[in-house]
Amino acid sequence: DAGITQSPRHKVTETGTPVTLRCHQTENHRYMYWYRQDPGHGLRLIHYSYGVKDTDKGEVSDGYSVSRSKTEDFLLTLESATSSQTSVYFCAIKSSTSGTSGRYGELFFGEGSRLTVL
Amino acid sequence: EDKVVQSPLSLVVHEGDTVTLNCSYEVTNFRSLLWYKQEKKAPTFLFMLTSSGIEKKSGRLSSILDKKELFSILNITATQTGDSAVYLCAAGEIQGAQKLVFGQGTRLTINP
Repeated sequence: DAGITQSPRHKVTETGTPVTLRCHQTENHRYMYWYRQDPGHGLRLIHYSYGVKDTDKGEVSDGYSVSRSKTEDFLLTLESATSSQTSVYFCAIKSSTSGTSGRYGELFFGEGSRLTVL
Repeated sequence: EDKVVQSPLSLVVHEGDTVTLNCSYEVTNFRSLLWYKQEKKAPTFLFMLTSSGIEKKSGRLSSILDKKELFSILNITATQTGDSAVYLCAAGEIQGAQKLVFGQGTRLTINP
Protein backbone atom coordinates (compact mmCIF):
# COMPACT_ATOMS: atom_id res chain seq x y z
CA ASP A 1 0.00 0.00 0.00
CA ALA A 2 1.64 3.25 -1.15
CA GLY A 3 -0.90 5.46 0.59
CA ILE A 4 -2.87 6.48 -2.50
CA THR A 5 -6.49 7.46 -2.26
CA GLN A 6 -8.75 8.57 -5.08
CA SER A 7 -11.97 10.52 -4.82
CA PRO A 8 -14.71 10.23 -5.73
CA ARG A 9 -14.70 6.49 -6.30
CA HIS A 10 -17.88 6.63 -8.36
CA LYS A 11 -19.48 9.51 -10.20
CA VAL A 12 -22.32 9.87 -12.66
CA THR A 13 -22.57 13.17 -14.49
CA GLU A 14 -24.13 14.69 -17.56
CA THR A 15 -22.50 15.69 -20.82
CA GLY A 16 -21.07 19.20 -20.69
CA THR A 17 -20.54 19.39 -16.94
CA PRO A 18 -17.09 19.86 -15.38
CA VAL A 19 -15.65 17.01 -13.33
CA THR A 20 -12.60 16.89 -11.07
CA LEU A 21 -11.02 13.71 -9.79
CA ARG A 22 -8.56 13.86 -6.92
CA CYS A 23 -5.57 11.70 -6.18
CA HIS A 24 -3.94 12.00 -2.78
CA GLN A 25 -0.70 10.33 -1.68
CA THR A 26 0.92 10.26 1.73
CA GLU A 27 4.48 9.17 0.90
CA ASN A 28 5.95 12.23 -0.83
CA HIS A 29 6.56 10.56 -4.19
CA ARG A 30 7.71 12.88 -6.96
CA TYR A 31 6.01 11.24 -9.95
CA MET A 32 2.24 10.90 -10.20
CA TYR A 33 0.15 9.68 -13.12
CA TRP A 34 -3.41 9.59 -14.36
CA TYR A 35 -4.48 6.64 -16.52
CA ARG A 36 -7.80 5.65 -17.99
CA GLN A 37 -8.82 2.05 -18.53
CA ASP A 38 -11.30 0.99 -21.18
CA PRO A 39 -12.21 -2.46 -22.52
CA GLY A 40 -9.83 -3.47 -25.30
CA HIS A 41 -7.36 -0.66 -24.57
CA GLY A 42 -5.65 -1.56 -21.35
CA LEU A 43 -4.33 1.43 -19.41
CA ARG A 44 -3.61 4.64 -21.29
CA LEU A 45 -1.68 7.56 -19.88
CA ILE A 46 -3.57 10.86 -19.74
CA HIS A 47 -1.20 13.20 -17.91
CA TYR A 48 1.63 12.89 -15.47
CA SER A 49 3.46 15.10 -13.00
CA TYR A 50 7.11 15.22 -12.07
CA GLY A 51 6.82 17.75 -9.29
CA VAL A 52 4.75 20.59 -7.90
CA LYS A 53 3.39 22.61 -10.83
CA ASP A 54 5.32 20.38 -13.27
CA THR A 55 3.05 18.35 -15.52
CA ASP A 56 3.09 16.92 -19.01
CA LYS A 57 0.77 15.22 -21.47
CA GLY A 58 0.36 11.52 -22.06
CA GLU A 59 -1.01 9.72 -25.08
CA VAL A 60 -4.70 10.58 -24.53
CA SER A 61 -4.62 14.08 -23.03
CA ASP A 62 -7.23 15.82 -25.21
CA GLY A 63 -10.19 17.01 -23.12
CA TYR A 64 -8.30 16.71 -19.83
CA SER A 65 -6.27 19.08 -17.71
CA VAL A 66 -4.31 18.48 -14.51
CA SER A 67 -2.91 20.45 -11.64
CA ARG A 68 -0.49 19.75 -8.85
CA SER A 69 -0.26 22.60 -6.38
CA LYS A 70 1.27 20.47 -3.63
CA THR A 71 3.22 17.22 -3.60
CA GLU A 72 0.44 15.08 -2.18
CA ASP A 73 -2.40 16.04 -4.52
CA PHE A 74 -2.80 15.53 -8.26
CA LEU A 75 -6.09 16.66 -9.76
CA LEU A 76 -7.58 15.57 -13.07
CA THR A 77 -10.21 17.87 -14.57
CA LEU A 78 -12.62 17.28 -17.41
CA GLU A 79 -13.67 20.81 -18.33
CA SER A 80 -16.75 19.66 -20.24
CA ALA A 81 -17.37 15.95 -19.88
CA THR A 82 -18.34 13.88 -22.93
CA SER A 83 -19.71 10.34 -23.18
CA SER A 84 -16.37 9.18 -24.63
CA GLN A 85 -14.80 10.03 -21.27
CA THR A 86 -16.87 7.38 -19.52
CA SER A 87 -14.14 5.20 -18.10
CA VAL A 88 -12.34 3.98 -15.02
CA TYR A 89 -9.60 6.39 -14.01
CA PHE A 90 -6.54 5.25 -12.10
CA CYS A 91 -4.02 7.38 -10.34
CA ALA A 92 -0.54 5.95 -9.88
CA ILE A 93 2.72 6.88 -8.24
CA LYS A 94 6.17 5.70 -9.16
CA SER A 95 8.30 4.13 -6.50
CA SER A 96 11.55 6.00 -6.19
CA THR A 97 13.22 3.71 -3.67
CA SER A 98 14.20 0.10 -3.37
CA GLY A 99 13.03 -0.08 0.20
CA THR A 100 9.99 -1.65 1.76
CA SER A 101 7.61 0.59 -0.13
CA GLY A 102 8.60 -0.96 -3.44
CA ARG A 103 11.18 -1.42 -6.14
CA TYR A 104 12.48 1.50 -8.16
CA GLY A 105 10.24 2.07 -11.15
CA GLU A 106 7.31 0.09 -9.82
CA LEU A 107 3.96 1.82 -10.24
CA PHE A 108 1.49 1.72 -7.37
CA PHE A 109 -2.11 2.31 -8.35
CA GLY A 110 -5.03 3.79 -6.51
CA GLU A 111 -8.33 1.94 -6.31
CA GLY A 112 -9.79 3.69 -9.34
CA SER A 113 -12.61 6.16 -9.98
CA ARG A 114 -15.47 4.99 -12.13
CA LEU A 115 -16.92 7.90 -14.13
CA THR A 116 -20.09 7.65 -16.17
CA VAL A 117 -21.03 10.53 -18.46
CA LEU A 118 -24.64 10.39 -19.62
CA GLU B 1 3.78 4.43 -32.77
CA ASP B 2 4.66 2.55 -29.61
CA LYS B 3 2.58 -0.54 -28.98
CA VAL B 4 2.33 -3.51 -26.65
CA VAL B 5 0.26 -6.50 -27.71
CA GLN B 6 -0.85 -9.29 -25.40
CA SER B 7 -2.14 -12.70 -26.35
CA PRO B 8 -4.41 -14.40 -25.88
CA LEU B 9 -6.95 -11.75 -24.89
CA SER B 10 -8.92 -14.31 -22.96
CA LEU B 11 -8.13 -17.76 -21.61
CA VAL B 12 -10.20 -20.28 -19.67
CA VAL B 13 -8.50 -23.30 -18.10
CA HIS B 14 -9.09 -25.81 -15.33
CA GLU B 15 -7.52 -25.62 -11.92
CA GLY B 16 -4.12 -27.29 -11.96
CA ASP B 17 -3.34 -26.44 -15.57
CA THR B 18 -0.25 -24.51 -16.61
CA VAL B 19 -0.74 -21.33 -18.63
CA THR B 20 1.55 -19.11 -20.67
CA LEU B 21 0.65 -15.50 -21.36
CA ASN B 22 2.42 -13.57 -24.09
CA CYS B 23 3.45 -9.95 -24.43
CA SER B 24 5.18 -8.45 -27.48
CA TYR B 25 6.32 -4.87 -27.64
CA GLU B 26 7.54 -2.19 -30.00
CA VAL B 27 8.53 0.73 -27.82
CA THR B 28 10.96 3.46 -28.78
CA ASN B 29 12.51 4.05 -25.37
CA PHE B 30 12.61 0.59 -23.90
CA ARG B 31 14.32 -0.22 -20.67
CA SER B 32 12.01 -2.55 -18.77
CA LEU B 33 8.93 -4.67 -19.08
CA LEU B 34 6.52 -4.97 -16.17
CA TRP B 35 3.76 -7.45 -15.40
CA TYR B 36 0.73 -6.60 -13.28
CA LYS B 37 -2.21 -8.61 -11.99
CA GLN B 38 -5.60 -6.91 -11.83
CA GLU B 39 -8.41 -8.60 -9.96
CA LYS B 40 -11.31 -6.31 -9.22
CA LYS B 41 -9.67 -3.00 -8.63
CA ALA B 42 -6.13 -1.67 -8.79
CA PRO B 43 -3.40 -3.49 -10.72
CA THR B 44 -0.79 -5.01 -8.44
CA PHE B 45 2.84 -5.50 -9.37
CA LEU B 46 4.21 -8.93 -10.27
CA PHE B 47 7.54 -8.59 -12.04
CA MET B 48 9.93 -6.10 -13.59
CA LEU B 49 12.25 -7.46 -16.28
CA THR B 50 15.20 -5.53 -17.59
CA SER B 51 17.71 -8.13 -18.70
CA SER B 52 17.16 -10.60 -21.49
CA GLY B 53 17.10 -14.32 -20.72
CA ILE B 54 17.00 -14.06 -16.93
CA GLU B 55 13.94 -15.70 -15.44
CA LYS B 56 12.19 -14.05 -12.54
CA LYS B 57 10.22 -16.31 -10.25
CA SER B 58 7.70 -15.86 -7.49
CA GLY B 59 6.06 -19.03 -6.26
CA ARG B 60 4.12 -20.57 -9.13
CA LEU B 61 4.63 -17.53 -11.36
CA SER B 62 7.64 -16.92 -13.53
CA SER B 63 8.52 -14.56 -16.34
CA ILE B 64 11.27 -14.04 -18.86
CA LEU B 65 12.20 -11.33 -21.34
CA ASP B 66 13.64 -11.72 -24.84
CA LYS B 67 15.00 -8.34 -25.94
CA LYS B 68 16.10 -9.64 -29.33
CA GLU B 69 12.65 -10.89 -30.32
CA LEU B 70 10.88 -8.16 -28.29
CA PHE B 71 8.60 -10.28 -26.18
CA SER B 72 8.00 -11.59 -22.72
CA ILE B 73 6.06 -14.52 -21.32
CA LEU B 74 4.38 -15.01 -17.99
CA ASN B 75 3.99 -18.61 -16.85
CA ILE B 76 1.68 -19.80 -14.12
CA THR B 77 1.96 -23.43 -13.05
CA ALA B 78 -0.56 -25.46 -11.03
CA THR B 79 -3.17 -22.72 -11.47
CA GLN B 80 -5.66 -21.98 -8.71
CA THR B 81 -9.00 -20.17 -8.81
CA GLY B 82 -7.31 -17.24 -7.08
CA ASP B 83 -5.18 -16.75 -10.19
CA SER B 84 -8.28 -15.61 -12.07
CA ALA B 85 -7.60 -12.01 -13.06
CA VAL B 86 -6.60 -9.72 -15.89
CA TYR B 87 -2.85 -9.79 -16.45
CA LEU B 88 -1.32 -6.62 -17.85
CA CYS B 89 2.11 -6.07 -19.29
CA ALA B 90 3.71 -2.69 -19.81
CA ALA B 91 6.92 -1.64 -21.54
CA GLY B 92 8.98 1.49 -21.56
CA GLU B 93 11.53 3.61 -19.80
CA ILE B 94 11.46 3.46 -16.01
CA GLN B 95 13.97 6.27 -15.49
CA GLY B 96 12.70 9.77 -15.00
CA ALA B 97 9.07 10.32 -15.90
CA GLN B 98 8.57 6.68 -16.87
CA LYS B 99 5.94 6.72 -19.58
CA LEU B 100 4.91 3.10 -19.87
CA VAL B 101 2.82 1.65 -22.69
CA PHE B 102 0.34 -0.98 -21.51
CA GLY B 103 -1.06 -3.91 -23.42
CA GLN B 104 -4.78 -4.67 -23.58
CA GLY B 105 -4.52 -7.35 -20.93
CA THR B 106 -5.23 -11.08 -20.88
CA ARG B 107 -8.31 -12.15 -18.94
CA LEU B 108 -7.52 -15.47 -17.29
CA THR B 109 -10.31 -17.56 -15.80
CA ILE B 110 -9.52 -20.65 -13.74
CA ASN B 111 -12.42 -23.06 -13.36
CA PRO B 112 -12.47 -25.45 -10.41
